Amino acid sequence: QSALTQPASVSGSPGQSITISCTGTRSDVGGYNYVSWYQQHPGKAPRLMIYAVNNRPSGVSDRFSGSKSGNTASLTISGLQAEDEADYYCTSYTYSDTWLFGGGTKLTVL
Amino acid sequence: QVQLVESGGGLVKPGGSLRLSCAASGFTFSDYYMSWIRQAPGKGLEWVSYIESSSSYTNYADSMKGRFTISRDNAKQSLYLQMNSLRAEDTAVYYCARVYLINDSLMHAFDIWGQGTMVTVSS
Repeated sequence: QSALTQPASVSGSPGQSITISCTGTRSDVGGYNYVSWYQQHPGKAPRLMIYAVNNRPSGVSDRFSGSKSGNTASLTISGLQAEDEADYYCTSYTYSDTWLFGGGTKLTVL
Repeated sequence: QVQLVESGGGLVKPGGSLRLSCAASGFTFSDYYMSWIRQAPGKGLEWVSYIESSSSYTNYADSMKGRFTISRDNAKQSLYLQMNSLRAEDTAVYYCARVYLINDSLMHAFDIWGQGTMVTVSS
């Protein structure tokens, strides 16, 4: 199975909104509502930001939101802040009882 | 607090073996599915394997099948990854992660991560 497809990089200015896409197939993103998103700062472990497409764990800012349409999921960050600058990864549960990660997107806050 | 701490990484020659451990604390380990996820230097995350809470079922990414074995000891609150026939491309930071559970329902996400242990495969 190939990795999910994410843009390599996105950027935005403080206060703006950005969206990161994550494209898979009917066997993963399109077939299950189990897309999750992770934030990773350099040298740190990933942190869960969104689970089950559009749910935030306790402690995650409501500036982070998720959605899905067909085989593509999206992460939107509104009111960009400097501390949002990080790598973001999507993942989806798959038909073969495995998980697929996206290649990651580097977010730069200008 | 809820914590996962990996150990056992190091330098190993191609074809060699290594056993990683992950010590869990702050939660009832036996209630949760657990997983290993890796990240090659400068690269993205790659899912490796998972194990059901009572060890009755495991699964692996295709490139690890037959070489890696995941196991757990609920009495010791520990997760393991036995890695055999190691290759240069297995060089990565290996994270253990907890599969998110809400009211006994699997959310198929990873809510708690360790800090990782580095495995380097090189001659």
